[in-house]
Amino acid sequence: DTAVSQTPKYLVTQMGNDKSIKCEQNLGHDTMYWYKQDSKKFLKIMFSYNNKELIINETVPNRFSPKSPDKAHLNLHINSLELGDSAVYFCATSPETTRATDTQYFGPGTRLTVL
Amino acid sequence: GENVEQHPSTLSVQEGDSAVIKCTYSDSASNYFPWYKQELGKRPQLIIDIRSNVGEKKDQRIAVTLNKTAKHFSLHITETQPEDSAVYFCAAGSNTGNQFYFGTGTSLTVIP
Repeated sequence: DTAVSQTPKYLVTQMGNDKSIKCEQNLGHDTMYWYKQDSKKFLKIMFSYNNKELIINETVPNRFSPKSPDKAHLNLHINSLELGDSAVYFCATSPETTRATDTQYFGPGTRLTVL
Repeated sequence: GENVEQHPSTLSVQEGDSAVIKCTYSDSASNYFPWYKQELGKRPQLIIDIRSNVGEKKDQRIAVTLNKTAKHFSLHITETQPEDSAVYFCAAGSNTGNQFYFGTGTSLTVIP
C-alpha cells in the first residue's frame, strides 16, 4: 500500500494548456504540501493544506490553484502552462497540524514537461 | 523568515571515506533539523533528524551534530558506499512555524 501517491508520474504537454496533478495519502495525516523541484534540485514549497484549509500560499503565480476535496487528497491545477513550469512536483504529508517539527513523507513526484 | 544555507553543493569521496555536509540557519526559534536523501529519480526520504535538546544523534553510519549557539548542524556519513550517492537536503523547522525551510542540497558521489 503506497502511503503517498501521485498521478500522473509523467506529464508532457504544450504551452498554454491546463493540467492537473493529483495526490492521495492513506496515512491519516492532517497536513499536505506541494513542492516544486526545478532542474537545480531546489525544493521550493508552494502550498500547504491542513484539514482541507489553505495554510501556506507562497509566492506562486495564480495560474496554480490547489484544491483539497478531503483530508486525504490535495490536487494541483495549473492553467495556461508556461515553459518555466517544467519541473518535478512533489506532494508531501505530515502528521503535525500546526508545527513544522515532524517528518514529511513525500510522494513519488510528477515530472511535468511543457513544450 | 528562516534562511538555511547548505555546503558544499557537490561532494565526491572515495568509497570507505567519510563525508560531511554542513548547514547553517538564521532563526533561533528553529528547533527541528531533519536530513533528507534523494536518490536519482526518487522522492526525498528522511534519513535522520535531530531536535534542539540534543547535540548529536547517530544511526549506524550516519550521524548529525547540532550547535545551537553557532546555529549550524552537520551530517556525517562514515565508511561511505556507492549506494550513499544521492542528493542530501538539510532543513529547519520550528514549533511556531508551519513549514520546513530546506537547504539547497548537496550532490554526493561515492567513487568505487
